Amino acid sequence: EDQVTQSPEALRLQEGESSSLNCSYTVSGLRGLFWYRQDPGKGPEFLFTLYSAGEEKEKERLKATLTKKESFLHITAPKPEDSATYLCAGAMNTGFQKLVFGTGTRLLVSP
Amino acid sequence: DGGITQSPKYLFRKEGQNVTLSCEQNLNHDAMYWYRQDPGQGLRLIYYSQIVNDFQKGDIAEGYSVSREKKESFPLTVTSAQKNPTAFYLCASSTTDSPNEKLFFGSGTQLSVL
Repeated sequence: EDQVTQSPEALRLQEGESSSLNCSYTVSGLRGLFWYRQDPGKGPEFLFTLYSAGEEKEKERLKATLTKKESFLHITAPKPEDSATYLCAGAMNTGFQKLVFGTGTRLLVSP
Repeated sequence: DGGITQSPKYLFRKEGQNVTLSCEQNLNHDAMYWYRQDPGQGLRLIYYSQIVNDFQKGDIAEGYSVSREKKESFPLTVTSAQKNPTAFYLCASSTTDSPNEKLFFGSGTQLSVL
């Protein structure tokens, strides 16, 4: 069964305290791993797509990496505005864009 | 600005009532999707459409119906057959050109049962 598991469920950091969020996947024929940010009461906002093991992408304080079994979202020196739920999703190797979503990691960054 | 517009933001359904959620996009995307989000669960696919006048069931289509008469519009009807409709509903769109398949989401509709 295709599955995406995120950990931890919730993470509380002090401003400037770096950490990583984990996304492990068992998706047959994975053809892409996606990271989204979701603010309360809003739709998810696209962050990154990773396609092959060893690939890395960066955006401001965020860096996403991919191995054959998991992906990490590294947050360097976070700020309170980085507080959100971060969603990971695997794209199955079908003829269209079908994503299997994890349950997300709720990140709270305190000043 | 290009984007996806969902309406209403909040919707209340009475028992036995059908309700329709609106989704409009001006991104010129061919594919559109409906997801349901429940607390503590990942987003689950209800229906998707890759082209006008065609759509397919997702993982949890029972109790829902859709139409795709225009490229820009993909309304979702929550029927009385859906016994647990309370959830946050998200509409999304994408191109169908690999690898630029990222989903663009609307701001969601929170549906509650009276």
